[in-house]
This record gives sequence, structure tokens and C-alpha cells, in this order.
Amino acid sequence: EVQLVESGGGLVKPGGSLRLSCAASGFTFSSYSMNWVRQAPGKGLEWVSSISSSSSYIYYADSVKGRFTISRDNAKNSLYLQMNSLRAEDTAVYYCARAHPGGAAAAPWGQGTLVTVSS
Amino acid sequence: EIVLTQSPGTLSLSPGERATLSCRASQSVSSSYLAWYQQKPGQAPRLLIYGASSRATGIPDRFSGSGSGTDFTLTISRLEPEDFAVYYCQQYGSSPGLTFGGGTKVEIK
Repeated sequence: EVQLVESGGGLVKPGGSLRLSCAASGFTFSSYSMNWVRQAPGKGLEWVSSISSSSSYIYYADSVKGRFTISRDNAKNSLYLQMNSLRAEDTAVYYCARAHPGGAAAAPWGQGTLVTVSS
Repeated sequence: EIVLTQSPGTLSLSPGERATLSCRASQSVSSSYLAWYQQKPGQAPRLLIYGASSRATGIPDRFSGSGSGTDFTLTISRLEPEDFAVYYCQQYGSSPGLTFGGGTKVEIK
């Protein structure tokens, strides 16, 4: 069974840093691009970042560019999101999601991890 | 940048009724790159439709997608109790990453 499990969320002060992890199992992790997508409380979905299977291609939403860094370790079947200079507006549930074959959609998704930025 | 506008914002229907959800793009979208998701409270989104009309693995055939260009539709032929949820459309390709619509909530009337 394909499974994605996020961890690393929590409460952090504005300007602080946090590193999210996503542990993948049940599929050949090194063959798939991966995404981070977030959802602010009571709001819709916002794509955050994507990374190709070999880390050759990396993309960020304008809202996080220069502050967040996506990375992966194919040997450990893990995806990461380093978040620096956090702002209140970064408060959200962060989901990791595998690229659907063809890359134009995302499935499956992890259960999400909540990041709260507040003083 | 392509903007996806979903309508209506909320759809109030009874079990057994037909639901028709709209997703309109600000510019033409390749049908290959239009997807629909379902999200229930406290759960992660689930892929329903990709390529505008192909059902994802395990999705019941009461869910169907159609459309092209700038107008796309998700139809639920007969609403089951478990179908009451929020639905998002998503496009890929106009710029790096995934772009989501604002969502349509299907609620019990």
C-alpha cells in the first residue's frame, strides 16, 4: 500500500524555522516527482513546491520562494521542506503528495502536518 | 498565470440527486492537465479525476469529468451520503506547479 506520512509540524514564532519530513513507502520513491501543498485553516489548497525524481528540477510558489527549500533523499525514501523566516500567513496544514503518473496531478496525499506560526 | 474559478461556492442537494460542479479557467487549459479532488473534513484531498475525464483508481463510476478549453465539469450522477464534501479542480502546465480552484462545497439539503 502506498503511504506518505508527514512529520515535523508544530508551533513556531514569526521569523523562526521548521523542517518538515515526509516518509514514503509502498512504491519506488526514486521514480516519482513529489509535491508539498498547504491549506490554511478554513481555506483552499495552495501548491508550495515540487521536486523531480532526481532533484534535477525544483519549483516554488512565489509566496515561499527564497524562504523554503525542498529536498529529498531517495536512499531514505524521504521528502523534506525546510522552512525559514516563517510568517503568520504560513500557518497551514502541510501535505506531501506524490505526482500522479504523467505529473499533472497529485496522488496519493499524506495526512498532513500542522504548522502554526504565532508569537 | 491561469486562474481557476469554481462555481457554485456551495451546492445544497439531497442524496440521490445529481450534482454538477463547474470549473472555469482564465485561459485555455490542456485537457490532459485538469484534475478534480474530493476533500472531507479533517482528511487529505483524494484524486477523483485526471486528464479531465479519467477516473482515478478506485473511484466509483458515479463520478465523471468532462470539458475542454476553459470550461470543465465534474458530475456526480447520484449523490451518496459519503459524497458530501468539498471538491477542488486543479490545473498543471501554465507555470511550474499545481494551480487549484477555490472549491465547491456539496452539502446536504
